[in-house]
Amino acid sequence: QVQLQESGPGLVKPSETLSLTCTVSGGSISTYYWSWIRQPPGKGLEWIGYIYYTESTKYNPSLKSRVTISVDTSKNQFSLKLTSVTAADTAVYYCARSEFGELLPYYWGQGALVTVSS
Amino acid sequence: QSVVTQPPSASGAPGQTVTISCSGSFSNIGSNTVNWYQQLPGTAPKLLIHRNNQRPSGVPDRISGSKSGTSASLAISGLQSEDEAEYYCAAWDDSLNGPVFGGGTELTVL
Repeated sequence: QVQLQESGPGLVKPSETLSLTCTVSGGSISTYYWSWIRQPPGKGLEWIGYIYYTESTKYNPSLKSRVTISVDTSKNQFSLKLTSVTAADTAVYYCARSEFGELLPYYWGQGALVTVSS
Repeated sequence: QSVVTQPPSASGAPGQTVTISCSGSFSNIGSNTVNWYQQLPGTAPKLLIHRNNQRPSGVPDRISGSKSGTSASLAISGLQSEDEAEYYCAAWDDSLNGPVFGGGTELTVL
């Protein structure tokens, strides 16, 4: 059974860069779509972007100018960088994986709360 | 404001059947399959239904999904207190070239 685990700082200062890593166990990071999704406190889910194992990426247009998603197949990890953060970026950040032949998230990490505050 | 619309709340008594709707457009639900996720308080979303009506291993058959045109529905029969949660639908959007999520429906078991 594949498992995903987010890691990274839980507190980021305004205007700085949010960095998170998702470590994948129980399966290879090759194949599938690997996504980042966030959920502000008390609100719904927002897709941030995805990377395919070939390193092809696609980002939500609302965040595109600030987002970079990358993959490290040697470590079975993929990462998220979000620049110039504000309080509006405070959220639980989830990494997720699609299933073979599908595009939508199938497996999810447990989530990592990132608070933007000085 | 979500591209895909869900009612903010739903409720039912134990044992009853509850249906949650999800309304979209041609670029998402009308052209692609729908997933449903259950989110218990403080936990990550869990996949309940994929490809409109397919249940992953471990999801009971009292949970079912359907899709027609640009709308989809999730039905939960034999309602139990453990079903109290937030439910989200999702579909790939061809215009966005990414997934769109409904705003979520909070289910209360009376």
